[in-house]
Amino acid sequence: DAGVIQSPRHEVTEMGQEVTLRCKPISGHDYLFWYRQTMMRGLELLIYFNNNVPIDDSGMPEDRFSAKMPNASFSTLKIQPSEPRDSAVYFCASREFMNTEAFFGQGTRLTVV
Amino acid sequence: AQKITQTQPGMFVQEKEAVTLDCTYDTSDQSYGLFWYKQPSSGEMIFLIYQGSYDEQNATEGRYSLNFQKARKSANLVISASQLGDSAMYFCAMRDPAGGTSYGKLTFGQGTILTVHP
Repeated sequence: DAGVIQSPRHEVTEMGQEVTLRCKPISGHDYLFWYRQTMMRGLELLIYFNNNVPIDDSGMPEDRFSAKMPNASFSTLKIQPSEPRDSAVYFCASREFMNTEAFFGQGTRLTVV
Repeated sequence: AQKITQTQPGMFVQEKEAVTLDCTYDTSDQSYGLFWYKQPSSGEMIFLIYQGSYDEQNATEGRYSLNFQKARKSANLVISASQLGDSAMYFCAMRDPAGGTSYGKLTFGQGTILTVHP
């Protein structure tokens, strides 16, 4: 398996623009997670899905952030409008069962200028 | 809410020596899981080792072992025979317990930067 695939790897955008991050989980994994990593706040869970259904979105910072999982093999995290404070590395991770480890994608480094 | 604490922002170790990275957690639940991940400078997150709260034995994976002390709520990572390639950020994480609305949520500590000297 190719692992969790995220795109793009790097994204530079201007403040106010819409940004869409994409994730393809490992086939057969029922859980998908979106994390954000910054120096100040470390690794924060934004939202996670189980069988394509959002379970906990309490980490989504505000209404500018939205996430979808239209099918078992694809998820998006959208920021609209983007702000400089959204600059971070965004990770997608998937896991098969709750007692197993989560596998992370390579991350998307987002820079909002 | 679950809380994970890594009190060592940075650690240094000589190559071939062992090193212990500390992790304490706070939970009132009996069923939970503890994980360690490694993040090298390239940025990817690499799973190292897992310990379930009901596991009798301490988990081991090659040169990695987890010193699990349930009563003290600690889950320290021990790396034996350190190698230069072990230089990285190390994160401790805890899975929220079963039965709650956030079951499955993985909460991370702030991380410890390990530097291995030749």
